[in-house]
Amino acid sequence: QKEVEQDPGPLSVPEGAIVSLNCTYSNSAFQYFMWYRQYSRKGPELLMYTYSSGNKEDGRFTAQVDKSSKYISLFIRDSQPSDSATYLCAMSERSGGSNYKLTFGKGTLLTVNP
Amino acid sequence: DAGVTQSPTHLIKTRGQQVTLRCSPKSGHDTVSWYQQALGQGPQFIFQYYEEEERQRGNFPDRFSGHQFPNYSSELNVNALLLGDSALYLCASSLARGGSYNSPLHFGNGTRLTVT
Repeated sequence: QKEVEQDPGPLSVPEGAIVSLNCTYSNSAFQYFMWYRQYSRKGPELLMYTYSSGNKEDGRFTAQVDKSSKYISLFIRDSQPSDSATYLCAMSERSGGSNYKLTFGKGTLLTVNP
Repeated sequence: DAGVTQSPTHLIKTRGQQVTLRCSPKSGHDTVSWYQQALGQGPQFIFQYYEEEERQRGNFPDRFSGHQFPNYSSELNVNALLLGDSALYLCASSLARGGSYNSPLHFGNGTRLTVT
C-alpha cells in the first residue's frame, strides 16, 4: 500500500463548478498537509498548508483535514479555466528544518471547461 | 525576489552517460531538496542538503549524488544513466536556520531529462 493515495482522474468540470479533490494516507506520523498546483511544464506551486484537523479557507480554496480518518480534501469554488492544472497533495512528518521531506500523491489532472 | 532557478531546462543524454543538474535556491533559503517526477506521477524525494551535507535521503541508488556549495546552490549528479531515469528533476528550497520550522518548500520549474 502506498503511503499516500490520490485519484489521478482526469477530472473535467464546467466553469463555475465546485471541485473536490481528495487524498488518503496510511502513515500516522504525517502531521503537515499541503496542496500544490502544477501547470504543464512548470514546477509545483504551493496552494494551501495546514496542520490541524478541520478546515482552512483561502479565497476560493478550502483545505480540509481529518486526521482520525487519514483523509484530506481540497475544495475549489467557482472554478475557472485558469484552475486547469494537476493538483498534488503532499504531507510530511515535520514542518521544516534540515530533515524535511514531502511525500506526494500521484496528482489529479483537472480541466475546467469554459 | 528571485525564486528557485534550475538549469538546464531540458537535457538529452544517452544510456550510460553521466549528467549534472544545477539549482539556485530562493533568496534567503539555505536548504535544498531534490525530487524526481516521472510522467504522470507525483514527485519523489531524492535527498536534501543543508550546511553542505546530505541530511536525508530517499530510496534512490548511489548513482544519484549531490553537492551543496557555500552559497547554498546545489548540484545533482546521476551516473550510469538508465532509460528509467528519464523524468522531470525538481529542486526545492526552504529555510532551516534559526529554527524556521514553518517553512514550506518552494519549487523550481525543473530540468526535463530524457535518456535515450
